[in-house]
Amino acid sequence: DTAVSQTPKYLVTQMGNDKSIKCEQNLGHDTMYWYKQDSKKFLKIMFSYNNKELIINETVPNRFSPKSPDKAHLNLHINSLELGDSAVYFCASRLTISTGEENQYFGPGTRLLVL
Amino acid sequence: QKEVEQNSGPLSVPEGAIASLNCTYSDRGSQSFFWYRQYSGKSPELIMSIYSNGDKEDGRFTAQLNKASQYVSLLIRDSQPSDSATYLCAVPNQAGTALIFGKGTTLSVSS
Repeated sequence: DTAVSQTPKYLVTQMGNDKSIKCEQNLGHDTMYWYKQDSKKFLKIMFSYNNKELIINETVPNRFSPKSPDKAHLNLHINSLELGDSAVYFCASRLTISTGEENQYFGPGTRLLVL
Repeated sequence: QKEVEQNSGPLSVPEGAIASLNCTYSDRGSQSFFWYRQYSGKSPELIMSIYSNGDKEDGRFTAQLNKASQYVSLLIRDSQPSDSATYLCAVPNQAGTALIFGKGTTLSVSS
């Protein structure tokens, strides 16, 4: 059983297009994330949702809009794609517990290439 | 803004040697520290977490934490070619709601 899944795995598109990436987790976690990993492998948080509510919105262009229809899903819509958006986008999920122990699980990633 | 620094490498070690990966962090108040391993083309996976000063061992992996010096390291004993990957150090952000990652150290173990 896949714990955190993302679709599509690969996305090649033209500049200016609008695209969406979907994420689903079947772990019963209450927090979901979008991370961006650039060509230099730097992994950076973009958004975080807890129980469908946005709790982190890092300095990300407003062309990026996350949406969480329920606790198990977090989608990412990107408008007017630019060359610099080319990266690997990872979804992750976590069960919020007070002990501070980390149990964040990552999806397989979506490789976005903007031409 | 918290920062996490790692030497990007590559770090090359022969099979059977000890690989030592280091990480420094800027926020003296950080309490939790994590090591993720990422194989090329794959997603990060958690391999070690450490919360107290000293050493924590798990199989061939040992995490070492020194809060006074603000560094955390990962030792891999008896390195295997299958250990070749990028190792990411991470600490929680101020609110504890997400992780801040270092840029990762690429390890190459030659047989």
